[in-house]
Amino acid sequence: AQKVTQAQTEISVVEKEDVTLDCVYETRDTTYYLFWYKQPPSGELVFLIRRNSFDEQNEISGRYSWNFQKSTSSFNFTITASQVVDSAVYFCALSESNTGAQKLVFGQGTRLTINP
Amino acid sequence: SAVISQKPSRDICQRGTSLTIQCQVDSQVTMMFWYRQQPGQSLTLIATANQGSEATYESGFVIDKFPISRPNLTFSTLTVSNMSPEDSSIYLCSVRDSYNQETQYFGPGTRLLVL
Repeated sequence: AQKVTQAQTEISVVEKEDVTLDCVYETRDTTYYLFWYKQPPSGELVFLIRRNSFDEQNEISGRYSWNFQKSTSSFNFTITASQVVDSAVYFCALSESNTGAQKLVFGQGTRLTINP
Repeated sequence: SAVISQKPSRDICQRGTSLTIQCQVDSQVTMMFWYRQQPGQSLTLIATANQGSEATYESGFVIDKFPISRPNLTFSTLTVSNMSPEDSSIYLCSVRDSYNQETQYFGPGTRLLVL
């Protein structure tokens, strides 16, 4: 069965610090997709990134970067030079390509607070 | 990505009543998904709604409690029936991206408080 674990329930850092959010997943399938979503206090879920299981290249988008390592079943998310606007709950999610319905399984989320 | 709207954005309801949540998408989509997020919790899939067929419910969710309609390719409704305080949650609909079907985009959510 699919499972996503975000062991860090809450993280609090001071503005401009770098912060890494951990995500570990479990799946029996060879083809799957990993996602990160951001949920600010307003409640909407904002898509950040999608990675497929065959692409282990790290990705950087501005201050955001993602490290995907199949060997450790991890898909970690780093925010560099954090800002107050980064404060939100971040969810890691997994879907298996061959299920057809592509159900998303979410981790429990990490509440990130950036203090000025 | 698709633009998704939900109505109402929030509501406060009395126990025993029902609330219907609407989800509107600005483009035609095959599948729409309904999720529940209980306070302080993660998101859990309630059901998948295909146009022209019965919704497919996840374990723990039943049609009598969460009836879903999908009358066309841009619209769906989720009803929360016979509500109790345990139904207080954010309810979110999502759709697959037209070009990257593995990605789901979410509506703004409906915050429901049941007294």
